Amino acid sequence: KNEVEQSPQNLTAQEGEFITINCSYSVGISALHWLQQHPGGGIVSLFMLSSGKKKHGRLIATINIQEKHSSLHITASHPRDSAVYICAAPYSGGGADGLTFGKGTHLIIQP
Amino acid sequence: NAGVTQTPKFRVLKTGQSMTLLCAQDMNHEYMYWYRQDPGMGLRLIHYSVGEGTTAKGEVPDGYNVSRLKKQNFLLGLESAAPSQTSVYFCAAARGSAKNIQYFGAGTRLSVL
Repeated sequence: KNEVEQSPQNLTAQEGEFITINCSYSVGISALHWLQQHPGGGIVSLFMLSSGKKKHGRLIATINIQEKHSSLHITASHPRDSAVYICAAPYSGGGADGLTFGKGTHLIIQP
Repeated sequence: NAGVTQTPKFRVLKTGQSMTLLCAQDMNHEYMYWYRQDPGMGLRLIHYSVGEGTTAKGEVPDGYNVSRLKKQNFLLGLESAAPSQTSVYFCAAARGSAKNIQYFGAGTRLSVL
């Protein structure tokens, strides 16, 4: 089973700060996922990446396959970015049997 | 476009009661998953299905059964609920395996007393 570790578990920052959330996994993978869980509980997919970098608005995700590490960055953070950010990797590397998830990073952006 | 719909949203059961959680998707996706989310833990895979008529066990399958009689529906059953099954349950659907985005339902909050 792939083991997924995230850091930090909790992060409080001021509006406008640059945010970095880290994710490491134990088994080589075909793709890594970043998800966002809103305070109301809903989960949405932010990124799915297998190499390099992806950007969507103020969010940037990077992955280093050799080091089994990914980062999620938020530029010019805003209170509406407050949420739990979750990293996920294929359960057994191959991926047919779903994802295994990190415990999440609880992010609070203060005005 | 509803995406993935879970019913019910909330439920309280007594120990030993049974219930079925319904997940319905309108995206015609092949893969469907049931996860549970508990405080301090990441989402954990209960069961999954790679197509109509197929199901397989995930990481924490004990105490649950599933069925995928129709492609759009994935049912999760608790035959005899236990307090340890108090959790938030999420269903997800994906076009294919882990290189595909998973679309989540809004979750079902279940309490077993």
